[in-house]
Amino acid sequence: KAGVTQTPRYLIKTRGQQVTLSCSPISGHRSVSWYQQTPGQGLQFLFEYFSETQRNKGNFPGRFSGRQFSNSRSEMNVSTLELGDSALYLCASSYRANEQFFGPGTRLTVL
Amino acid sequence: ELKVEQNPLFLSMQEGKNYTIYCNYSTTSDRLYWYRQDPGKSLESLFVLLSNGAVKQEGRLMASLDTKARLSTLHITAAVHDLSATYFCAVAYSRSGGGADGLTFGKGTHLIIQP
Repeated sequence: KAGVTQTPRYLIKTRGQQVTLSCSPISGHRSVSWYQQTPGQGLQFLFEYFSETQRNKGNFPGRFSGRQFSNSRSEMNVSTLELGDSALYLCASSYRANEQFFGPGTRLTVL
Repeated sequence: ELKVEQNPLFLSMQEGKNYTIYCNYSTTSDRLYWYRQDPGKSLESLFVLLSNGAVKQEGRLMASLDTKARLSTLHITAAVHDLSATYFCAVAYSRSGGGADGLTFGKGTHLIIQP
């Protein structure tokens, strides 16, 4: 079974731009969660989608948004990028509310 | 607000020794996870602990959960160099909105095992 895939793997943007990250979950998994990992704040939950609906949201500003498609693939968008948005963005998929399997991540650098 | 505390945050140990990483959390939860992360890599799932008293073992690693004490431990037996990594515990927080829960992570334990 293929694992969680994320694209792109690396991204460099400048302040003020916007970015879209993509995540394809494990086949059959309908829940997709997004996390941000930074050296200072560690791993933080962004949001979770199930059947195209956002069910849970972490404590991030509205610049961070996401969506999920009917095939369970998910995208995350960050608008008006700030230097502090530089991070590793991880996507995780799960079958039910149990084990979450993480993708390889997208490393975003904001200059 | 759920808080998850791991200790120690840094651990340098010699091969062959035993050690324990502790994970305390502040709010009732019956689901706790342990992950491993190698430098520049993603998170690898190690253990899922779903009930009080749960104990799971894989190779030289053993994890346990005490929901009453809100404590989980990850015990390393006869450490080998290949176990050098950062280990995270994460707790599932059941939000009133239902659904799969976002995980709250500890800060991680950076483990170095020296020959």
